[in-house]
Amino acid sequence: DAKTTQPTSMDCAEGRAANLPCNHSTISGNEYVYWYRQIHSQGPQYIIHGLKNNETNEMASLIITEDRKSSTLILPHATLRDTAVYYCIVRVLGSSNTGKLIFGQGTTLQVKP
Amino acid sequence: EAGVAQSPRYKIIEKRQSVAFWCNPISGHATLYWYQQILGQGPKLLIQFQNNGVVDDSQLPKDRFSAERLKGVDSTLKIQPAKLEDSAVYLCASSLDKPWVAGELFFGEGSRLTVL
Repeated sequence: DAKTTQPTSMDCAEGRAANLPCNHSTISGNEYVYWYRQIHSQGPQYIIHGLKNNETNEMASLIITEDRKSSTLILPHATLRDTAVYYCIVRVLGSSNTGKLIFGQGTTLQVKP
Repeated sequence: EAGVAQSPRYKIIEKRQSVAFWCNPISGHATLYWYQQILGQGPKLLIQFQNNGVVDDSQLPKDRFSAERLKGVDSTLKIQPAKLEDSAVYLCASSLDKPWVAGELFFGEGSRLTVL
């Protein structure tokens, strides 16, 4: 599975958009980009995933560059409850669908009042 | 919908003792994962089951860790004997994977192990 690179930490003002970057320059054609987050003392929580098109759901938007070598997770209006560690992961999907979800160090997002 | 259940939430043991963690996945989820999360690090995959078969256990320290998933539902993770470096949160996750469909993983709250 391809490796990902994320900044160690970021700050964001409450109510502003939080843009979390991720580099996955060795991603292959059958690997999806997933984002999870982990709030203190809880298990990781799924946010969003995509292959090559931009995706949006009720939690966030995912922007994937045309060459798929990087992506950005956007939280449009960050709240204090969005303070967490955010993990960008690439995962193979296929007919047997047993692609592993491998976590890196993630980005610690601190939302400040 | 009930989530992934894990027990115990907390366990303190002395080194060389044994411990077992239990996980009940979401009903109908075929895939079950055990992750180890050491303080300050991301979760590390230990073992992945598809129904009651092992898909990947390449990162499981098999000299002391074992896991089983009887009947393809509940799973137990055992450590015997425990070492100080096994102090971590053990996370169980499950997913409803279908071919070519990106199933999200649902995580339990974890079992925190402290080895003294």
